[in-house]
Amino acid sequence: GENVEQHPSTLSVQEGDSAVIKCTYSDSASNYFPWYKQELGKRPQLIIDIRSNVGEKKDQRIAVTLNKTAKHFSLHITETQPEDSAVYFCAASLGGGSNYKLTFGKGTLLTVNP
Amino acid sequence: DGGITQSPKYLFRKEGQNVTLSCEQNLNHDAMYWYRQDPGQGLRLIYYSQIVNDFQKGDIAEGYSVSREKKESFPLTVTSAQKNPTAFYLCASSMVGQGSGYTFGSGTRLTVV
Repeated sequence: GENVEQHPSTLSVQEGDSAVIKCTYSDSASNYFPWYKQELGKRPQLIIDIRSNVGEKKDQRIAVTLNKTAKHFSLHITETQPEDSAVYFCAASLGGGSNYKLTFGKGTLLTVNP
Repeated sequence: DGGITQSPKYLFRKEGQNVTLSCEQNLNHDAMYWYRQDPGQGLRLIYYSQIVNDFQKGDIAEGYSVSREKKESFPLTVTSAQKNPTAFYLCASSMVGQGSGYTFGSGTRLTVV
């Protein structure tokens, strides 16, 4: 099955700096890559996603890039703010038919220091 | 709660007891999932279901059981066979198709006492 590796496991940045979280996946047939943000004690929430026919997607301060050849994708957060502090999870899915379930990375704890 | 409701929020189980966690969604999603979350382990898939009366084991199904009698409901039973049940349990739902994000419930924190 699919395997998703996520790095780093913890990341600490100063407010206003950029943060980058990287994930690799094993199955070259995977074609859907969402990112979730989970604040302490709360549910994960989808913040951005990308499909395999796109190399980059942006939404305000958040961007995701995908390199299908290398089988890795990254989350970029610019101008970080204290409210960006949370655990971030990447995931991958084969999509379609019975292969719709997501495989998650182990998460990155991002701390933004004021 | 964003269309998917888990209850209870906190649950305490005695050794040897079975307990059932509830998950209900009104999003008309076809697929539903149960994940277990432990510190440093990420989200591990227990069971998932695409249609009523059908479900598949995930990566850590031992000691758990589910049912899918209605499209809206996907309860999870943690049986006495699950030796380390203390964890945060998340239910999610999604459409089935070419890559669909999940909507998560707010979770149930289960503690063995």
